[in-house]
Amino acid sequence: GAVVSQHPSRVICKSGTSVKIECRSLDFQATTMFWYRQFPKKSLMLMATSNEGSKATYEQGVEKDKFLINHASLTLSTLTVTSAHPEDSSFYICSARDFQGTFEQYFGPGTRLTVT
Amino acid sequence: AQRVTQPEKLLSVFKGAPVELKCNYSYSGSPELFWYVQYSRQRLQLLLRHISRESIKGFTADLNKGETSFHLKKPFAQEEDSAMYYCALIDRDDKIIFGKGTRLHILP
Repeated sequence: GAVVSQHPSRVICKSGTSVKIECRSLDFQATTMFWYRQFPKKSLMLMATSNEGSKATYEQGVEKDKFLINHASLTLSTLTVTSAHPEDSSFYICSARDFQGTFEQYFGPGTRLTVT
Repeated sequence: AQRVTQPEKLLSVFKGAPVELKCNYSYSGSPELFWYVQYSRQRLQLLLRHISRESIKGFTADLNKGETSFHLKKPFAQEEDSAMYYCALIDRDDKIIFGKGTRLHILP
């Protein structure tokens, strides 16, 4: 089946620094990728929709200048958390929808970000 | 507003007993509904979707438009069913709206 990878799986950074998380579709092309944030004991929250070759669409309440998303190719989307703060510590998950446009999304394994 | 509600945060069931994970939704139009599962230390993965009407790992879910429900059921729980289960729907923009999830704990 389709595989989505994320890198890194775990990252610790200091407050004020920026962190980039990569999301790759390994065996299919993804025109659309999604970025989620998972809070402890809460559901997955959609942060933004990343479309290849165009600007990402952010959900209400998500700061686009803080969470920079770039979807440079059909297999890669990146999320950069700029000037990270401890409250940004979370589990970030990406998903990708295949080029054929089925409803199924394939999820990455997630990235645990800890900001100290 | 589009919403998915899973009323139970935790459900503990004895092995061999029937399982029902509740899910209700709020959506104008005909929804596309799914159940996702996340086993311990594994990624989120699709369990089943209502349009395919299939049974995966013994689980089934029937869409009840009158009750706006999509409960997940299995007649006999197995220990390996212990996981986090998320009910979800796809909105018109192809975004997944997740419920808060129910942790299923199968007791030996």
